[in-house]
Amino acid sequence: DAGVTQSPTHLIKTRGQHVTLRCSPISGHKSVSWYQQVLGQGPQFIFQYYEKEERGRGNFPDRFSARQFPNYSSELNVNALLLGDSALYLCASSLYAGAPYEQYFGPGTRLTVT
Amino acid sequence: AQKITQTQPGMFVQEKEAVTLDCTYDTSDPSYGLFWYKQPSSGEMIFLIYQGSYDQQNATEGRYSLNFQKARKSANLVISASQLGDSAMYFCAMREKEDTGRRALTFGSGTRLQVQP
Repeated sequence: DAGVTQSPTHLIKTRGQHVTLRCSPISGHKSVSWYQQVLGQGPQFIFQYYEKEERGRGNFPDRFSARQFPNYSSELNVNALLLGDSALYLCASSLYAGAPYEQYFGPGTRLTVT
Repeated sequence: AQKITQTQPGMFVQEKEAVTLDCTYDTSDPSYGLFWYKQPSSGEMIFLIYQGSYDQQNATEGRYSLNFQKARKSANLVISASQLGDSAMYFCAMREKEDTGRRALTFGSGTRLQVQP
C-alpha cells in the first residue's frame, strides 16, 4: 500500500510570494495534519483536517491556511512568505478517531525562502 | 512548561548493544498517547512505536520497546541490538485527548543517536 505522499519535494520561493503544498493520505485515512519543522527542532503542529473541516489549529499566523478535498487529500497554503518560513513541511495521516491510533508521516516538502 | 522533554541531545552506542533514549512528558489529560519517531537524514518521520495512557503493558515492536512509567511521566525508548542503520534523530511525541478525534502531536527536541561499528 502506498504511504503518505507529498509534492513537491523541494521548492525555492522569494520573500512575499505564495506557496501551495500538497498531501495525499494513506488509503482509508480520513484525517490529515500539517507540521512545520524548522532546522534543528522538532515538528510543530499547524493544522488538522477531517471531512473538509478544520479540527485543530496550532499557533501559526493567518498567512497559513489549508483545505481538504472530498478524496481526503489536502493543500497547505502560505501567503506573504518570510525567511522564517523556510522549513520542512510534513503531512501526517491517521484515522479520525478510535484505534488504531498510529499517525504516519509523508516524506515532507522542503521549502526555502530567499 | 515543556510538554515533552528529551534531555539527551546526542547519544553514542556500539553496534549490537542496547540503548535507552529518555523522554518525560507533562499532561493533566487522563487520555493521551505517546509516540516515538525516527528521522533519518532524508527527513521522513518514521513511526516506531505507540503507547496509550490506559495500556497496561509496555509497547513492543521488534527491536523497539517503550518503557512506560506513568507515575513518573516517562516514556523511554529502548532499542535492542543496535544496528548502523539506527543512526538518526529520534523524537518523542505526545497526543492529548486521545479518546477524541484530536490528532495534534507535540514533539520533543529530539535525540541524535549515532551507532558506532
